Amino acid sequence: GAVVSQHPSWVICKSGTSVKIECRSLDFQATTMFWYRQFPKQSLMLMATSNEGSKATYEQGVEKDKFLINHASLTLSTLTVTSAHPEDSSFYICSARGPWGQPQHFGDGTRLSIL
Amino acid sequence: AQTVTQSQPEMSVQEAETVTLSCTYDTSENNYYLFWYKQPPSRQMILVIRQEAYKQQNATENRFSVNFQKAAKSFSLKISDSQLGDTAMYFCAFASRDNLFFGTGTRLTVIP
Repeated sequence: GAVVSQHPSWVICKSGTSVKIECRSLDFQATTMFWYRQFPKQSLMLMATSNEGSKATYEQGVEKDKFLINHASLTLSTLTVTSAHPEDSSFYICSARGPWGQPQHFGDGTRLSIL
Repeated sequence: AQTVTQSQPEMSVQEAETVTLSCTYDTSENNYYLFWYKQPPSRQMILVIRQEAYKQQNATENRFSVNFQKAAKSFSLKISDSQLGDTAMYFCAFASRDNLFFGTGTRLTVIP
């Protein structure tokens, strides 16, 4: 069964709305979580890496104030897309891992559509 | 910075035949992992195979095997006895302690 739960799987909302996506590790402690964005027929683009209790490290070109990442516990990380606009529409995937060397697990992704 | 390159955007193979997907990467680190992931139309990320950089022996997983050439920074995936269910996007990935980067992907089609 799934070891990483990502919710919601699909969200449609109006422009200007803030949207929160949750990523939970179900049966392990996720010391490190990654957030990705994937455009149609393209690869996964790493947005940020977060370690439990620390601020997220964002990749170049990713707006920190736009994509707020919180990793407050060893089982939960959230990505909030603030004041979302149509260009933020995409597929977002989280990935979680325990200590270095442990397997990497992926959520099933969130399809975000901004009208 | 790490980069992962997949030079084959699309590949096709006849059912039951063998196909090799290529991947090269660039890093200055010594301790890392390499992966091949499969992404079907459902967009789930499915781990195909994993290789620890410190292990010289190539990883194998049933019909899937890799050719890991550390000095050349090459990590190709061989799929033997291809099946229709192997049709998917395949991503090569590099993991260091703080990062997990993906290549651009290869779309593999298995032809009946």
